[in-house]
Amino acid sequence: EAQVTQNPRYLITVTGKKLTVTCSQNMNHEYMSWYRQDPGLGLRQIYYSMNVEVTDKGDVPEGYKVSRKEKRNFPLILESPSPNQTSLYFCASSPLERGGLLREQFFGPGTRLTVL
Amino acid sequence: QQPVQSPQAVILREGEDAVINCSSSKALYSVHWYRQKHGEAPVFLMILLKGGEQKGHEKISASFNEKKQQSSLYLTASQLSYSGTYFCGTDLVSGSWGKLQFGAGTQVVVTP
Repeated sequence: EAQVTQNPRYLITVTGKKLTVTCSQNMNHEYMSWYRQDPGLGLRQIYYSMNVEVTDKGDVPEGYKVSRKEKRNFPLILESPSPNQTSLYFCASSPLERGGLLREQFFGPGTRLTVL
Repeated sequence: QQPVQSPQAVILREGEDAVINCSSSKALYSVHWYRQKHGEAPVFLMILLKGGEQKGHEKISASFNEKKQQSSLYLTASQLSYSGTYFCGTDLVSGSWGKLQFGAGTQVVVTP
């Protein structure tokens, strides 16, 4: 089944404790992206990747890191989480058309993160 | 800057129509529409590229007016299954490939 998976689905942690949220897709998509969703603010892009070893900042990259060593995986790293990073996080992947045009994004189920 | 969606919320009876607008202060290359049901991930509806094309998905259609830098989503003869939050995502002409900005969303409630 074609899908985007995220782990963990739920996480409660404390300020400053490094954590990683994994994202994996089995559709051979070039493009992957991370979003955070907060009430009243919609989806805000954190980082995105157009292909392996190519990553770029979205609108809210502060406090996050990503890497794209393999096509299927795009982990999100919080080196020193703070309470303002409490949010619902979505990973997404998409094929790219020639020229880099973004097409339909497939979203993972989400990771609800609470930082105390 | 995030696109602006209006209205923030709309309540419909089954069979009624609604329009959701998405406006940008900058020139757009494409507009992406998604629907998210409560507790679920967003699901793709359609993409519109500059050129003013219209697209449809079931009885949901959309238009894209480049000059006005806006897109509209039309919910026609709404069904209960149309309930959810609708988001537009915009890809700027001046932006980087792959960078997408979403609006805050429009909550749609369809009642029997």
